Amino acid sequence: NAGVTQTPKFQVLKTGQSMTLQCAQDMNHEYMSWYRQDPGMGLRLIHYSVGAGITDQGEVPNGYNVSRSTTEDFPLRLLSAAPSQTSVYFCASRKGAENTGELFFGEGSRLTVL
Amino acid sequence: AQSVTQLGSHVSVSEGALVLLRCNYSSSVPPYLFWYVQYPNQGLQLLLKYTSAATLVKGINGFEAEFKKSETSFHLTKPSAHMSDAAEYFCAVSPYSSASKIIFGSGTRLSIRP
Repeated sequence: NAGVTQTPKFQVLKTGQSMTLQCAQDMNHEYMSWYRQDPGMGLRLIHYSVGAGITDQGEVPNGYNVSRSTTEDFPLRLLSAAPSQTSVYFCASRKGAENTGELFFGEGSRLTVL
Repeated sequence: AQSVTQLGSHVSVSEGALVLLRCNYSSSVPPYLFWYVQYPNQGLQLLLKYTSAATLVKGINGFEAEFKKSETSFHLTKPSAHMSDAAEYFCAVSPYSSASKIIFGSGTRLSIRP
């Protein structure tokens, strides 16, 4: 009963390095999204996807890329990490594009950029 | 554009006391409203949601919330706090017509005193 799986759980990067946060869900959900969580700011939407091959920007997309080649996977790429990207990242999925559905969250990936 | 404001970043109550977490929203169209809970080192879980049916919504673990359009509020309550309720709580809003964007508040950390 995996649900939404994020890897890695912890990562330390140096400024300018690149990396990919992986997100996979086994519930056949159409909608997937990435949020970042920072103290006092709640969760902010980075990018989202309503199905394979379709992505769109959220509130804070700069510095991040996404792709959705399969229904199951939605990786988040940092091309050139900056200290401002130090945060906890959450992947979330939902059955359909309708906003009434419950979001299912992964356990988070804590990223530190030095 | 929609937004959500949670009053009080930290609320502390005694075990057995009433829990009241405040949430006010702004939306140019009728909204969907949600409360999510985050336990330490975990992702968020849905507590309850309002999607234009009954204005008093009951959720898991004895929590409920009332949608008040005149006050643009969706406050979360529980009659009697339990130690296991200690967590961070997030209010979220999404308009009916949106293509999948859910906006979260900054969160309220609930502490329970023995």
